Amino acid sequence: EVQLVESGGGLVKPGSSLKLSCVASGFSFRSYGMHWIRQAPKKGLEWIALIYYDSSDKYYADSVKGRFTISRDNSENTLYLEMNSLRSEDTAMYYCAKFYSSGFDYWGQGVMVTVSS
Amino acid sequence: DIQMTQSPHSLSASLGETVSIECLASEGISNYLAWYQQKPGKSPQLLIYYARSLQDGVPSRFSGSGSGTQFSLKISNMQPEDEGVYYCQQGYKYPNTFGTGTKLELK
Repeated sequence: EVQLVESGGGLVKPGSSLKLSCVASGFSFRSYGMHWIRQAPKKGLEWIALIYYDSSDKYYADSVKGRFTISRDNSENTLYLEMNSLRSEDTAMYYCAKFYSSGFDYWGQGVMVTVSS
Repeated sequence: DIQMTQSPHSLSASLGETVSIECLASEGISNYLAWYQQKPGKSPQLLIYYARSLQDGVPSRFSGSGSGTQFSLKISNMQPEDEGVYYCQQGYKYPNTFGTGTKLELK
């Protein structure tokens, strides 16, 4: 059974940093590109970052470019999102997701990040 | 960035009714289009990929069509468990943009 389990969220002040983790199981993690997608409270879905299966390439949404860094450790089946210079508009549920064909076939349960003074 | 425009914003359907949700891409995306269902407090679930391919385990009353810039999701024989918010998403170019969502309720 495929599982993606996020952790590391919480309440932080503007300007702070936070690092999210996503532990994968049930599939060959090292063979798939992995993504982070977020959803602000009562809002829609926003794709924010991708890392290729071998970390050879990474892409970011303009809204997080230069502040967030996606990485992975294939030996630990773990995906990361390092978030710096956090702003109130970064408050959201953060999901990691596995990409398949043209869509995301597995999602984690999500981890909440709240940025507030 | 490719903009994905969904319509309607919300709709309600009776038990057994057929409903359609439309998604318009701001430029051609071939068939790199996916549909998701999200229920309150839950992660989105993939329904359709490559515009018309049904994800494993998804009931056959869900179907997708379209290519290029115009796409639609059809739900036949509306059931109570089909209530939720539906999103389209293009996987043609980064950033992989999502539609604004359509809230479907049982009448």
